[in-house]
Amino acid sequence: DAKTTQPPSMDCAEGRAANLPCNHSTISGNEYVYWYRQIHSQGPQYIIHGLKNNETNEMASLIITEDRKSSTLILPHATLRDTAVYYCIVRVEYGNKLVFGAGTILRVKS
Amino acid sequence: GAGVSQSPSNKVTEKGKDVELRCDPISGHTALYWYRQRLGQGLEFLIYFQGNSAPDKSGLPSDRFSAERTGESVSTLTIQRTQQEDSAVYLCASTLQWGSYNEQFFGPGTRLTVL
Repeated sequence: DAKTTQPPSMDCAEGRAANLPCNHSTISGNEYVYWYRQIHSQGPQYIIHGLKNNETNEMASLIITEDRKSSTLILPHATLRDTAVYYCIVRVEYGNKLVFGAGTILRVKS
Repeated sequence: GAGVSQSPSNKVTEKGKDVELRCDPISGHTALYWYRQRLGQGLEFLIYFQGNSAPDKSGLPSDRFSAERTGESVSTLTIQRTQQEDSAVYLCASTLQWGSYNEQFFGPGTRLTVL
């Protein structure tokens, strides 16, 4: 699975959109971009995934650049409960194990 | 139904002792995974089970680590002769079936501290 690069930390004001970037310049054609998050003292939680089209669900939106070498996870109205470590992963859709890097610590502040 | 559960939630043990960690996956989930997460680090894959197929043990760090799963139910991860570097949170996850894009559902983890 391709490697990803994320900033180590970000701050966001409560109620504002949180935009979390991820670089995956070595992504191959059959690899998807997945996002998980981990709130303190909890197990990771799936957020969203996509191949090349932008995706949206009840939690977030995923914007993937046309060349697929980077993506952005958008939390449209961040709340204090969104404070967590966010992990960007690229993997084949029908893969098995997850491999997380260090992720981005998102701190939502009031 | 209930999510993935793990027990114990915390385990403190002395170096050299054996420990057994338990995972109860979501009912009906055929695939089960064990991961390790050291403080401030990402997930480290250990092992996964899919139905009655041979498990993928490629992530187990040494022969002190072993895991079992009976059918599509409970799994136990055993660490023999624990070392201080085994201290970590051990996470279990299950998913509906192997080869599915469906997300992995994680349990709360077992925090293991080896003194």
